[in-house]
Amino acid sequence: KQEVTQIPAALSVPEGENLVLNCSFTDSAIYNLQWFRQDPGKGLTSLLLIQSSQREQTSGRLNASLDKSSGRSTLYIAASQPGDSATYLCAVMGGGSQGNLIFGKGTKLSVKP
Amino acid sequence: SQTIHQWPATLVQPVGSPLSLECTVEGTSNPNLYWYRQAAGRGLQLLFYSVGIGQISSEVPQNLSASRPQDRQFILSSKKLLLSDSGFYLCACGLTDTQYFGPGTRLTVL
Repeated sequence: KQEVTQIPAALSVPEGENLVLNCSFTDSAIYNLQWFRQDPGKGLTSLLLIQSSQREQTSGRLNASLDKSSGRSTLYIAASQPGDSATYLCAVMGGGSQGNLIFGKGTKLSVKP
Repeated sequence: SQTIHQWPATLVQPVGSPLSLECTVEGTSNPNLYWYRQAAGRGLQLLFYSVGIGQISSEVPQNLSASRPQDRQFILSSKKLLLSDSGFYLCACGLTDTQYFGPGTRLTVL
């Protein structure tokens, strides 16, 4: 059974710092891996999607890497801003037509001005 | 692009009362639809998914049920709510490689 773990559970940094969020998964047979952002009391917004054949994806100040063989992904946020404060969720999609996602519990990020 | 609507946004219900949460999708046809629950201190848990009208798969045994009466409508129900049903319920629509999420319903069972 696939399990997804995110470390740390919470992180507080001063504005301007570069930071790394970690995600690990137990079964390397994934279709893709995604990073989502969730603001308090809101739904999820997709940030980056990495296909199983890819090593990384970039969007603006965000860069996500994937090492499928070791079951790890990292989300790198450059020059953090207070507006980046949110919970970041990692999810893996297995094979099969149902397209189910398995989520980690998330990392709650707080960026202090 | 697709838009996902959920209502109500918040709900406070007594233990033992019935429940009906609705999710509708615009901008796509024949999507996979999902219900998730996010409880305090726990991750996002998949409750049900549907690949078509009338086709429902349950991921965990529970007090809840789901129905898909129309292609773009997904309903989460309960006949008698439990305290443990409290949480944030999210509907999602699956397209190709990813899922798009609705705004969620905050359910508090007292």
